[in-house]
Amino acid sequence: DAGVIQSPRHEVTEMGQEVTLRCKPISGHDYLFWYRQTMMRGLELLIYFNNNVPIDDSGMPEDRFSAKMPNASFSTLKIQPSEPRDSAVYFCASSLPAISDEQFFGPGTRLTVL
Amino acid sequence: GQQLNQSPQSMFIQEGEDVSMNCTSSSIFNTWLWYKQDPGEGPVLLIALYKAGELTSNGRLTAQFGITRKDSFLNISASIPSDVGIYFCAGPDFRDDKIIFGKGTRLHILP
Repeated sequence: DAGVIQSPRHEVTEMGQEVTLRCKPISGHDYLFWYRQTMMRGLELLIYFNNNVPIDDSGMPEDRFSAKMPNASFSTLKIQPSEPRDSAVYFCASSLPAISDEQFFGPGTRLTVL
Repeated sequence: GQQLNQSPQSMFIQEGEDVSMNCTSSSIFNTWLWYKQDPGEGPVLLIALYKAGELTSNGRLTAQFGITRKDSFLNISASIPSDVGIYFCAGPDFRDDKIIFGKGTRLHILP
């Protein structure tokens, strides 16, 4: 199994541009999570899906952030417009259907907004 | 909501030393999870604890689920260079039905 796949691995963009991060979870996993990691705030849960349905998006910082999961094998996290304070590493993770099951993380996307 | 407090925030040790770190909460957890994040990678689960008082080992790693259910400890014996990284404790917040993570303990090994 290839594990959780994220693309791109690195993204550098200018303030005001739209950014789209992509994730392919492990096949058969029901849960998909999007996290943001910064030195100041650590690992923050942004949103998670169960069977492609968004369950909790209370961690999404503001309306500039949106996430979709059109099918069981693909999810996107979009930031529009991007701002320098959005610079962080964004992780996608997936897990089997129990909230305490192991989460398998992707390698992350390092986003830099200039 | 529930919070997990990890200490120390960072550690600088010599190769071969033993390491001890902990995680505390003001509320009860029914499961404790310890993850490790290697530089440039995503976190990976090391150990899961499901019962108060439980002591579990994984190679040189040993973790314990505190009796009060409000804390957990992770020990690493005879540290080696590949132990460098960030160690996170985590647990399910049943009120919110999601996993919450501590801010991590950064382990540095001096040459």
